[in-house]
Amino acid sequence: QKEVEQNSGPLSVPEGAIASLNCTYSDRGSQSFFWYRQYSGKSPELIMSIYSNGDKEDGRFTAQLNKASQYVSLLIRDSQPSDSATYLCAVKRSGGYNKLIFGAGTRLAVHP
Amino acid sequence: NAGVTQTPKFRILKIGQSMTLQCTQDMNHNYMYWYRQDPGMGLKLIYYSVGAGITDKGEVPNGYNVSRSTTEDFPLRLELAAPSQTSVYFCASSYSRDRGINTGELFFGEGSRLTVL
Repeated sequence: QKEVEQNSGPLSVPEGAIASLNCTYSDRGSQSFFWYRQYSGKSPELIMSIYSNGDKEDGRFTAQLNKASQYVSLLIRDSQPSDSATYLCAVKRSGGYNKLIFGAGTRLAVHP
Repeated sequence: NAGVTQTPKFRILKIGQSMTLQCTQDMNHNYMYWYRQDPGMGLKLIYYSVGAGITDKGEVPNGYNVSRSTTEDFPLRLELAAPSQTSVYFCASSYSRDRGINTGELFFGEGSRLTVL
């Protein structure tokens, strides 16, 4: 079982719709969770971090964490063509552990 | 505001050659990482460092070496290059917040595209 799993996609949504991206992880010791966006040919950039169960909102983005189910998701409201990119989920264990492990990413395509 | 700088951006190597990918950051971050990304795939951790003089293996360390003599620099050495090392390499850094805990919020360089023929 991979440490961090994501559907590779592509996930295709119409402009203005809600895009829902999902990620599961295997290590129950994981405490910090991140969503990175990567445009084609570019480096990843952090868009959301979440550390506690529940929802965290930032503009059009909402991250949701459920540690009991080992599940983290990213919702993008009012999706725009500029949101078309690959979204990478990353996970870090707590305390002195410093490895950040990434999933394979989900490619999102927002069509007009 | 340079952030994380990687050199070179592109390089072609012949099988068996060696080279060093350079990475430097000017944000005084303690934590630095090297990842590789194969086409259509996610990031695989090669090595990481929690501070000057301290390094540790990631998921795919074979064929690579690192050193961390200063806070700013974290070079990645490829010995005896193989076609399997053809990839895009990303260097990243992160900072610590309260009580020295690593936030895990990575700042990435622009990447180095390496081809081994």
